[in-house]
Amino acid sequence: GIQVEQSPPDLILQEGANSTLRCNFSDSVNNLQWFHQNPWGQLINLFYIPSGTKQNGRLSATTVATERYSLLYISSSQTTDSGVYFCAVRANSGYALNFGKGTSLLVTP
Amino acid sequence: GAVVSQHPSRVICKSGTSVKIECRSLDFQATTMFWYRQFPKQSLMLMATSNEGSKATYEQGVEKDKFLINHASLTLSTLTVTSAHPEDSSFYICSADRTGNQPQHFGDGTRLSIL
Repeated sequence: GIQVEQSPPDLILQEGANSTLRCNFSDSVNNLQWFHQNPWGQLINLFYIPSGTKQNGRLSATTVATERYSLLYISSSQTTDSGVYFCAVRANSGYALNFGKGTSLLVTP
Repeated sequence: GAVVSQHPSRVICKSGTSVKIECRSLDFQATTMFWYRQFPKQSLMLMATSNEGSKATYEQGVEKDKFLINHASLTLSTLTVTSAHPEDSSFYICSADRTGNQPQHFGDGTRLSIL
């Protein structure tokens, strides 16, 4: 099946800093989503972005489908941004989303 | 608001009990729903694909007799963990697909603890 690799696995930032999370995938996709999992386990959908660029407040994402990667940008990070960020993709040949292992982000005051 | 509702959010029960988890799509019909499992500090792993009106498709290594899936209507899929044991303790999350180029929507998950 499709492989999804996220980097870095762990990230510690000071409040106010910017960061970039990366997601590489091994096959053509028709769905790519970025999620933030909060401490209660809820998956918060940040972006549905199989291609192109989107922005939502301090967050933005870019997917370059032809090169099989996506980037999630977090600007002016806040402590509430802490948690695990998952990239999930669906291959053109598949049905379900396949998740990467996530990036665990800790933003310190 | 939530478009996929999952219930219950938390279950604590004794070993040997069977536990049913419900997943409902609230404002759309979902011919396909998915069940994932997440162990602590790990990612979400697909367990099975639930198809309305037909048998579920299970991923390799997932026991179909242990994890019974029923998708009897276009808005409801259920996962029953039969004769649960402590090793079945995990976080179970369902999701549903709208038709067309749309994101997949996830429930809030069920935290299952078997004593």
